[in-house]
Order: sequence, then structure tokens, then C-alpha cells
Amino acid sequence: EVQLVESGGGLVQPGGSLRLSCAASGFTVSSNYMSWVRQAPGKGLEWVSVIYSGGSTYYADSVKGRFTISRDNSKNTLYLQMNSLRAEDTAVYYCARGEYDSSGYSTYYFDYWGQGTLVTVSS
Amino acid sequence: QSALTQPRSVSGSPGQSVTISCTGTSSDVGGYNYVSWYQQHPGKAPKLMIYDVSKRPSGVPDRFSGSKSGNTASLTISGLQAEDEADYYCCSYAGSYTLYVFGTGTKVTVL
Repeated sequence: EVQLVESGGGLVQPGGSLRLSCAASGFTVSSNYMSWVRQAPGKGLEWVSVIYSGGSTYYADSVKGRFTISRDNSKNTLYLQMNSLRAEDTAVYYCARGEYDSSGYSTYYFDYWGQGTLVTVSS
Repeated sequence: QSALTQPRSVSGSPGQSVTISCTGTSSDVGGYNYVSWYQQHPGKAPKLMIYDVSKRPSGVPDRFSGSKSGNTASLTISGLQAEDEADYYCCSYAGSYTLYVFGTGTKVTVL
């Protein structure tokens, strides 16, 4: 059974840092592509970042230069290092899985999601 | 990249059909057949309902269907049921620079 469990959220002051983790089970993180998607309180979903199986990473303009996505294959875990945090980064952060098709090409949807971890940036 | 535009809310009685629109541009919805839809109940994680415009993952009832015309994608829920009351978000691939863009979200109310 595929499971994604996020952790690491909490209260942090503006300008501070936080590292989120997403522990995966039931599949291999490095064989899929993995994303972070966030949802500000009472707002919609916003794609944040992706890491592909080959290691390529991409970011939304709103977090570029401040956030870093990575993974630890030995722990089958995805991470999001968040630096220079701002009030507008306050949100529930979800990790989500994407698959490659039988030909090895990336699909373009997220088939499994974690339950999310809340990050609050406030003084 | 702006969020895709969805109606704030739609409603219907049990058994009726409702359709949610998702309007983007030729750089996202209109440019790729990679629109997906997600259902989100309060306090829960999103759940994939439709992918690649009109494909249903296993386990998703066939009451849910998707389509696209030009820059607008649509999700139709036929035979509305109480458990369908939730927020729904569309998402489109938007190219190798922007990657993904989500819709503004639609609250479906079962009357």
C-alpha cells in the first residue's frame, strides 16, 4: 500500500528556516517523480516544487531561490528545505507522487498524496 | 502564471448532474491534454479523480467524467451523491518552465 507521511511543520519566525520530510512506503521514491504542493488557510492548491527520478528539480517562481527539494534514497524520503520564510509561505504542505508510464515518460498528475504538515510563519 | 479559473461554487440535488469548468490559456489547458481533477474533503488530502483530461483512475466511480474544449476543461458529476460534496480543483501541465498550475477551486454542494 502506497503511503506518504509528512512531518517537520511548525511555527517559525519570518526569515527563519524549516525542513519538511515526507516518508514514503509501498513504492520507491527515486523511481517516481515527487512534488510538494501547498495550500494556504482557506485557499486553493499551489504547486511548489518537483524532483524527477534523474534528480532534476524545478520550483515555482514564488519559492525559487529560497526552497530546495531533495530526497534520500536510502531512507525513501523526500525533503523540502525552506529558507527565508515569509508570512505568505504559511500553508499546509503536501507531498505528492507522480509516475512514469511504461515507456519511461513522465505522466502529468499526482496519484497519491500525504495528509500534509502545517507551516506557520509568524512573529 | 495565474491560477486557472473555476466557478466558486456549484450545487445540485441528489441524482442531478453538475459541471465544473476550468478555464486557462493556450499555454496550459489549451496546449496540453494533461488536465487532472482532484477532490478534497474538509481537512483531508486531495484525491485524484480524473487525469489526462478524461481518464479515471481505478476505484473512481464512472459518475465522474472529464472533457476539454479549447482552453476550457470540464468535470461532470452525474447522479450526484451526498459524498460528492467537497472542493474540486483542476490542474494543468503548463510547460517546462511553469510545470503545473492549479485552478481556483470549486465547492460542490449537494442540496
